[in-house]
Amino acid sequence: GESVGLHLPTLSVQEGDNSIINCAYSNSASDYFIWYKQESGKGPQFIIDIRSNMDKRQGQRVTVLLNKTVKHLSLQIAATQPGDSAVYFCAENYAGGTSYGKLTFGQGTILTVHP
Amino acid sequence: NAGVTQTPKFRILKIGQSMTLQCAQDMNHNYMYWYRQDPGMGLKLIYYSVGAGITDKGEVPNGYNVSRSTTEDFPLRLELAAPSQTSVYFCASSYSGAAHNEQFFGPGTRLTVL
Repeated sequence: GESVGLHLPTLSVQEGDNSIINCAYSNSASDYFIWYKQESGKGPQFIIDIRSNMDKRQGQRVTVLLNKTVKHLSLQIAATQPGDSAVYFCAENYAGGTSYGKLTFGQGTILTVHP
Repeated sequence: NAGVTQTPKFRILKIGQSMTLQCAQDMNHNYMYWYRQDPGMGLKLIYYSVGAGITDKGEVPNGYNVSRSTTEDFPLRLELAAPSQTSVYFCASSYSGAAHNEQFFGPGTRLTVL
C-alpha cells in the first residue's frame, strides 16, 4: 500500500551544525507534505509544510525540499541547537476526494544535538 | 486558549476492561482526529470527525468507538481492552480538512493494557 518512510532512524549532530532529515514517499498523488517535531512526552508540533507544486520552502532556520522525480522529501535545520533534539516525522496528505485532512505518517527520525 | 487537551495522561487497564479517553479543544475547530502511536512508529489514524454528529473510520478503527456530540469534545471509547491497544493516543484538531490546514495535537494519553 501507499506509505511514507524515512531513510535514517537516528541522527546525531554537534550544536551549530546543519542537520538534514530525509523522507521517502510512495503516493505520487499526495498534495501536501508536512514535517512535525515531537519532543519527549509531547504531541507532534507542526514545523513546516510544502505543496506538491513547489520544490523548496523556507521557514525560520528550516528548509524543506521536495523532489517529486525520486519521491523524496528532506528537512534541513540550520545551526542546530540542543532544543532541536526530538523525533521528526514527515507526513503526507492527499487532498483528493474526501480525504478530510487525513495524514499518513512516516516512522520518524531521532535527532540528537550534542552541545 | 488551552488548545487541545487530553485526559487522563496515563492509564493502566486490565484485559477486557473499558474506558473513555477524553479530548477537548477550545479553538472552535470543526475537524478532530484520534491517532495512536506505537513505540518507534509514526501515528496511525483511528477515527476522525468533520463536525458535531459526524464521524468516520480511519486506518485502524477496530476495537474503538467515537462520538461527537459537541464541537469541542471528541471522546474515544475502548470497550474490551486488549494488549494490542497498548499505545500512546493523540487527539488533534484542525479548522478544516483542507490539506494545508495545520493539525494541532494534544499531549497524549499513554495506555497500557495488561
